[in-house]
Amino acid sequence: GAVVSQHPSWVICKSGTSVKIECRSLDFQATTMFWYRQFPKQSLMLMATSNEGSKATYEQGVEKDKFLINHASLTLSTLTVTSAHPEDSSFYICSASAGGTDTQYFGPGTRLTVL
Amino acid sequence: KQEVTQIPAALSVPEGENLVLNCSFTDSAIYNLQWFRQDPGKGLTSLLLIQSSQREQTSGRLNASLDKSSGRSTLYIAASQPGDSATYLCAVFEGAQKLVFGQGTRLTINP
Repeated sequence: GAVVSQHPSWVICKSGTSVKIECRSLDFQATTMFWYRQFPKQSLMLMATSNEGSKATYEQGVEKDKFLINHASLTLSTLTVTSAHPEDSSFYICSASAGGTDTQYFGPGTRLTVL
Repeated sequence: KQEVTQIPAALSVPEGENLVLNCSFTDSAIYNLQWFRQDPGKGLTSLLLIQSSQREQTSGRLNASLDKSSGRSTLYIAASQPGDSATYLCAVFEGAQKLVFGQGTRLTINP
């Protein structure tokens, strides 16, 4: 089946620094990638949708200047959390789709802890 | 705004029992519905996808049903095993691609 990887799997950073998380589709071309956030014991909340070569579409309440998303190729999307604060600590999960109504394949997630 | 609710939030049963997980959604105008499994600290594994025109899907010991008119879906697990212990998430498609998730049911199967 289709495989999506994320790097790093976990990261700890100091408040005020920026952190970049990568999402890669390993064996298919991902026209569309999605970024989700999951707080402890809560469900996944969609943050943004990105199409290759286009600007990401952010969900209501998600700060686009804080969560920078780049989808520069058909196999890679990055999420950069800028000036991270402790409240940004969460589990970030990406998913990738070949487009249209195709199935989304989920990455293993990245645990971010901001001290 | 679509809201997805899963009941119960947690369930613990002895090995071998059959069980049902429930999912309800507020807006019946959905494209599809999907059930996922999430192990602690891990990503999601897709279990079953039910298209809006379907009423159920089966895969091995799993059976998922969909009743759009009542805004409900159930996931039936037969002959449960300790390896089935995980959090089960229900998600509805709001449009062709956007997934709206429930909060999940944390399932524990006791040997």
